[in-house]
Amino acid sequence: QVQLVQSGAEVKRPGASVKVSCKASGYTFTSAAMHWVRQAPGQRLEWMGWINAGTGKVKYSEVYQGRVTITRDTPANTAYMELSSLRSEDTAVYYCARAMGGPARFDYWGQGTRVAVSS
Amino acid sequence: QSVLTQPPSVSAAPGQKVTISCSGSSSNIGNNYISWYQQFPGTAPKLLVYDNNKRPSGIPDRFSGSKSGTSATLGITGLQTGDEADYYCATWDDSLRDVVFGGGTKLTVL
Repeated sequence: QVQLVQSGAEVKRPGASVKVSCKASGYTFTSAAMHWVRQAPGQRLEWMGWINAGTGKVKYSEVYQGRVTITRDTPANTAYMELSSLRSEDTAVYYCARAMGGPARFDYWGQGTRVAVSS
Repeated sequence: QSVLTQPPSVSAAPGQKVTISCSGSSSNIGNNYISWYQQFPGTAPKLLVYDNNKRPSGIPDRFSGSKSGTSATLGITGLQTGDEADYYCATWDDSLRDVVFGGGTKLTVL
């Protein structure tokens, strides 16, 4: 069965970077896109960007352009999302989500990684 | 604010039907497929409807989706207390070239 397992919770200082991993299993990793979505406490879902796991091509939301980097390691079936220059407003749960068949069709999600930014 | 507009909350009694609207524009809903997600507190969202009106395997037919022009609707019939959750619409926006989500709707089953 398809599973996306994310790395554990992180606590970071303002100005630091965080890198979250998402290990996929149960399907051919390179056959789908992996998206990253975040949710601040009590807030809506926000799309951050995606990577075509086969080609490595990426697309970032303008909101995070310049601060987010999405990569993948195909032998490890793992996608990564790195967010830099962290500020308190980046405190959120970060999700990876697989998309097959359409850019907003997220059929499997990781369990979420809680990132807290605090001085 | 969100590109897609949803009512903040809806409520209905057990066994009744409720609809949740999602309003957008020609650059998003009007020209692309929409998906709907259910999210319980502290958990990841779950895909309920994709391609406007299709359900993934395992999603009961109490959940249905429709689209007309630049608006979409999620319908839930035979409401159960276990349906209490937040519901989000999502689609691609051709102008922003981003995936966009609605602001979310909290469903209360009275």
